[in-house]
Amino acid sequence: KAGVTQTPRYLIKTRGQQVTLSCSPISGHRSVSWYQQTPGQGLQFLFEYFSETQRNKGNFPGRFSGRQFSNSRSEMNVSTLELGDSALYLCASSNGDRVTGYTFGSGTRLTVV
Amino acid sequence: KNQVEQSPQSLIILEGKNCTLQCNYTVSPFSNLRWYKQDTGRGPVSLTIMTFSENTKSNGRYTATLDADTKQSSLHITASQLSDSASYICVVRGTTSYDKVIFGPGTSLSVIP
Repeated sequence: KAGVTQTPRYLIKTRGQQVTLSCSPISGHRSVSWYQQTPGQGLQFLFEYFSETQRNKGNFPGRFSGRQFSNSRSEMNVSTLELGDSALYLCASSNGDRVTGYTFGSGTRLTVV
Repeated sequence: KNQVEQSPQSLIILEGKNCTLQCNYTVSPFSNLRWYKQDTGRGPVSLTIMTFSENTKSNGRYTATLDADTKQSSLHITASQLSDSASYICVVRGTTSYDKVIFGPGTSLSVIP
């Protein structure tokens, strides 16, 4: 059973650009969550999608957005990149129930220069 | 406010020694608690999950305990190995309609030879 796949693995962008990150969940999982992790910081929740609908949202500016497709694959977009957006972006999938935990991808390391 | 706190923030131990990490939470009502291990630059991997009625759960050299009355959990690592060097994250799931999860800040463990 394939795990959670995030692409690309590494990314370098310049300030002001925008970026799109992709996440393919485990087959059958309908929930996809996105997290930002900066050095020395814990996981900061961005948003969660379930069956193509945003179910939860963290406290991030509107420059951060996401969507989920009918096959449960999800994308996250960050517009007008800032240096502070440099981070490891993690995606996690679950089947949406309270017992099953999240399975995380390996993340996308975004560097903004 | 739902919170998860972890202590210590960081820990250095000698290979072969035991250690215990702590997690205190205020999430209520409570559904389950998980411990994740995150290697540097990788996504977190689930170690154990405990529900309200469980007191102890083991996974190899990892043993998690839960006291739902005092809202405390611990993760005990026995006979540590160099590969145990990682961040250990406590994650608590509530029982709200959106099954929101709260991530602790993590404990950074370094095992040295």
